Amino acid sequence: EDKVVQSPLSLVVHEGDTVTLNCSYEVTNFRSLLWYKQEKKAPTFLFMLTSSGIEKKSGRLSSILDKKELFSILNITATQTGDSAVYLCAWGSGNTGKLIFGQGTTLQVKP
Amino acid sequence: EPEVTQTPSHQVTQMGQEVILRCVPISNHLYFYWYRQILGQKVEFLVSFYNNEISEKSEIFDDQFSVERPDGSNFTLKIRSTKLEDSAMYFCASNRQGKDEAFFGQGTRLTVV
Repeated sequence: EDKVVQSPLSLVVHEGDTVTLNCSYEVTNFRSLLWYKQEKKAPTFLFMLTSSGIEKKSGRLSSILDKKELFSILNITATQTGDSAVYLCAWGSGNTGKLIFGQGTTLQVKP
Repeated sequence: EPEVTQTPSHQVTQMGQEVILRCVPISNHLYFYWYRQILGQKVEFLVSFYNNEISEKSEIFDDQFSVERPDGSNFTLKIRSTKLEDSAMYFCASNRQGKDEAFFGQGTRLTVV
């Protein structure tokens, strides 16, 4: 059965800390690995990774994929309280665009 | 910036009633999806829709569920006879091509009583 596992499930840090969120997957027909941020309602898109070893970066957030070891990490440097959210990792499969989500990591950044 | 819009934001219905959740995907997108998230659980795929037909559906998407694109802009999810366990947040999403990142609407919280 295809699955996406995220760790840790929850994390509490202080502003200014750096965090690393993990996502491992065991899937067939891999196409892409996506990261989303879910604050109150809708998941908002952060990154999509398809190639191994290439880092994607946006401001203080960055992500990298290792297709051989079947995992991805999301790094957030100099965390701010506005980074508090659930971070979702999802595997994109085949041609239909279906996404299979992990259970999410709940990040709380304290002032 | 274009966005996926969903209505209503919250719907309360009695068990056994039919509900229709509505979505307006981003205008130049061709692939449409419904997902659901039961409180405290992960986001689950329900169905993908392309070229006016279902391209893939999950085991959750049984005969009680149907989707439709009744006109050029709306995309609807119908639950024929709601059950208590259908209570969840339902998200609509879309992308231009299936392999692209999907953009999600704000969701409809469905409460079945």
